[in-house]
Amino acid sequence: DTAVSQTPKYLVTQMGNDKSIKCEQNLGHDTMYWYKQDSKKFLKIMFSYNNKELIINETVPNRFSPKSPDKAHLNLHINSLELGDSAVYFCASSQPGPSYEQYFGPGTRLTVT
Amino acid sequence: AQSVAQPEDQVNVAEGNPLTVKCTYSVSGNPYLFWYVQYPNRGLQFLLKYITGDNLVKGSYGFEAEFNKSQTSFHLKKPSALVSDSALYFCAVRALSGGYNKLIFGAGTRLAVHP
Repeated sequence: DTAVSQTPKYLVTQMGNDKSIKCEQNLGHDTMYWYKQDSKKFLKIMFSYNNKELIINETVPNRFSPKSPDKAHLNLHINSLELGDSAVYFCASSQPGPSYEQYFGPGTRLTVT
Repeated sequence: AQSVAQPEDQVNVAEGNPLTVKCTYSVSGNPYLFWYVQYPNRGLQFLLKYITGDNLVKGSYGFEAEFNKSQTSFHLKKPSALVSDSALYFCAVRALSGGYNKLIFGAGTRLAVHP
């Protein structure tokens, strides 16, 4: 009964390739997020969706394209992968509103060679 | 600009001793503050939050945090540390982005509890 799940857990690919990461939550939350955690463990929001609508885009390169087919799913597609894209990507979900905590998935470790 | 600072990269404490992990914040308006813990190769887990009310907030695994408005701090505490508390701890503050809520995280503090 995993709350927020991500696939794959590990992703190793070469520069220039295109890859996708999938996220699903079974908590009934309306809002989902993508975060990037770099090698120094710094965590930064990339995107947020509320009820399938993009509400936050934190000046992420347009090689990154999120898609939310329904409010339980938020996928991240990355085109033309670069070395600097290597990181751990976390999906999270919450109810909308400032007082609600976010629930995080286990992360996807992306390594670009 | 809204921000969070965790001044210590690492905190070392002996098992059984009290621990404190520091966090200070800068926000406009009322602060909504959160603590999360990350164990190795895992996602972040929510520990506790301050929204309003009592300045001492209790959370999971025996952790608590003290909100201090005058010092703009929200330090995480535990009376008696366990080796299993060793992990990376993140403080976060709610910020607005285009009218929508997001979390800004501190850089994280690694807690090492020694037997």
